[in-house]
Amino acid sequence: DAGVTQSPTHLIKTRGQHVTLRCSPISGHKSVSWYQQVLGQGPQFIFQYYEKEERGRGNFPDRFSARQFPNYSSELNVNALLLGDSALYLCASSLAAGDNSPLHFGNGTRLTVT
Amino acid sequence: AQSVAQPEDQVNVAEGNPLTVKCTYSVSGNPYLFWYVQYPNRGLQFLLKYITGDNLVKGSYGFEAEFNKSQTSFHLKKPSALVSDSALYFCAVRVHSGYSTLTFGKGTMLLVSP
Repeated sequence: DAGVTQSPTHLIKTRGQHVTLRCSPISGHKSVSWYQQVLGQGPQFIFQYYEKEERGRGNFPDRFSARQFPNYSSELNVNALLLGDSALYLCASSLAAGDNSPLHFGNGTRLTVT
Repeated sequence: AQSVAQPEDQVNVAEGNPLTVKCTYSVSGNPYLFWYVQYPNRGLQFLLKYITGDNLVKGSYGFEAEFNKSQTSFHLKKPSALVSDSALYFCAVRVHSGYSTLTFGKGTMLLVSP
């Protein structure tokens, strides 16, 4: 079975631009979460979606938004990019929200803002 | 608020020797604890979890972890290290709620020398 897939793998953007990152969960998984991993730090929670509804939001500005589609795939959007948004963006899926199953992570999208 | 501390930035061990990667946590309520491993330019791979039951949890690739409620610790261990175990290890905690949100430590780099 395919794991969590993310696209693109790498992206270079300029300050002020916007970006859209995409994620396809493991087949059968209905919950998708997004994390930001800055170099040298652990992942920080951005959003969780379950059944197309936002179930949780981390401490990120409104420039960050996300959505989940009927097929459970998800997009993360970031507007007005700042240099500090440069990071590895990780998508993770799980069977449901709030269950004990572990999160399964994709390989991430490396975003560089110049 | 929940938090995780990994007090060591790096752990060095010789191949064949036992290894320990330390983790302490702080939560209100019963913790769900996880260990993940990250290889260069990759996402996080699930190693093991503690939800309830036996304090010694066995996971993938020969790793195990010991939950100690009185010391609020969840140290990762392996009886005999391999060079291929060299990677970045993250401890994470979740409190039972309607969400699967994980709070991660900053990570510990494990270096196993031949």
